[in-house]
Amino acid sequence: DTEVTQTPKHLVMGMTNKKSLKCEQHMGHRAMYWYKQKAKKPPELMFVYSYEKLSINESVPSRFSPECPNSSLLNLHLHALQPEDSALYLCASSKGASSSYNEQFFGPGTRLTVL
Amino acid sequence: GQQLNQSPQSMFIQEGEDVSMNCTSSSIFNTWLWYKQDPGEGPVLLIALYKAGELTSNGRLTAQFGITRKDSFLNISASIPSDVGIYFCAGPPGNTGKLIFGQGTTLQVKP
Repeated sequence: DTEVTQTPKHLVMGMTNKKSLKCEQHMGHRAMYWYKQKAKKPPELMFVYSYEKLSINESVPSRFSPECPNSSLLNLHLHALQPEDSALYLCASSKGASSSYNEQFFGPGTRLTVL
Repeated sequence: GQQLNQSPQSMFIQEGEDVSMNCTSSSIFNTWLWYKQDPGEGPVLLIALYKAGELTSNGRLTAQFGITRKDSFLNISASIPSDVGIYFCAGPPGNTGKLIFGQGTTLQVKP
């Protein structure tokens, strides 16, 4: 299996809602990533998990809460989001989180709209 | 912060034409990656380069790792309509697994 899967494909939520984005990979990769992407812009790194531990948080607001239950799964919990948080949220994975394993493989993304 | 400068920003070409785009960095990279992204989808890895001077092909795509290790080039030969999309270069600014991306080159192909 060489895929990164993400659910849901689309999500619409209000500013008071709590929702979660899910990501799964079965490539045996030990590093997983969350990115945020606005239209016509490059992906922006949010979080890096290495061996199920959070290794990088790019100063992301606390209304975004990542979780890595095991080496195959990555969640992003959302609470009290703002309309400007509307974007494509991408999950990626790589063999490791070091310069020896720079090839990251992306999922199809979750298109999030905050009303 | 560190940036990758990617050019051109957009291209509108005729089917069958060749395409070239490049990416430059202010510092040395030990890896260059090229991705393609279709609308509403995630980026797909096209080519990975690991050695200065390396030239790697993937079908009609050819990418080169610049000798200075501060730049990379992607060429697409004999473009077809399905080449339409946004092409991103990316590289690691350190040893953390973090990638930074160029601003992207939007390619449109006229049949």
